[in-house]
Amino acid sequence: EVQLVESGGGLVQPGRSLRLSCAASGFTFDDYAMHWVRQAPGKGLEWVSGIIWDSSDIDYADSVKGRFTISRDNAKNSLYLQMNSLRAEDMALYYCAKGRAPGLSPCVFDMWGQGTMVTVSS
Amino acid sequence: DIQMTQSPSSLSASVGDRVTITCQASQDIRNYLNWYQQKPGKAPKLLIYDASILETGVPSRFSGSGFGTDFTFTISSLQPEDIATYYCQQYDNLVTFGGGTKVEIK
Repeated sequence: EVQLVESGGGLVQPGRSLRLSCAASGFTFDDYAMHWVRQAPGKGLEWVSGIIWDSSDIDYADSVKGRFTISRDNAKNSLYLQMNSLRAEDMALYYCAKGRAPGLSPCVFDMWGQGTMVTVSS
Repeated sequence: DIQMTQSPSSLSASVGDRVTITCQASQDIRNYLNWYQQKPGKAPKLLIYDASILETGVPSRFSGSGFGTDFTFTISSLQPEDIATYYCQQYDNLVTFGGGTKVEIK
């Protein structure tokens, strides 16, 4: 069974850091690009970042560029998101999503985790 | 940045009704458009990719069409289990989602 399990969310003060993880199973992890998508409470979906199968190409949304870093460890079937300088507007449920292709395009999210909640508050 | 304008933001329809949602891109995105369903408290689920291709296992009452800037998502006969919020998503230039359409039963 294909499964994505996020972890690492929690309550953090503005300006602090947090690292999210996503453990993948049930598919050949290093065959596919992976992404982070977030959803603020009661709001719509916002793509955050994507990473190609071998980490050679990475993209970020403008809203997180320079503050967030995506990475992956194919040996551990894991995806990560290092979030620095967190702001109130970063508060959201963060989903790990599997891309359909090895590259960042076509960008079709065909499998999603259940998400991990990040709360930014003093 | 490419903006995706989805309408309506919500709708109420009866079981068996035909439901149509539109998504307009701020520039030509060819057919690089996907549709997702998100039920309350759940992760999104891919329904349609590349504007019109039905994802494996998705019921045939769901369909999509369009090219360029104007796209349509249709449920041919609304079922109670289709209550959800639906999102379009472009990937011609990075990734952008539409604002979502909440579908309810009348």
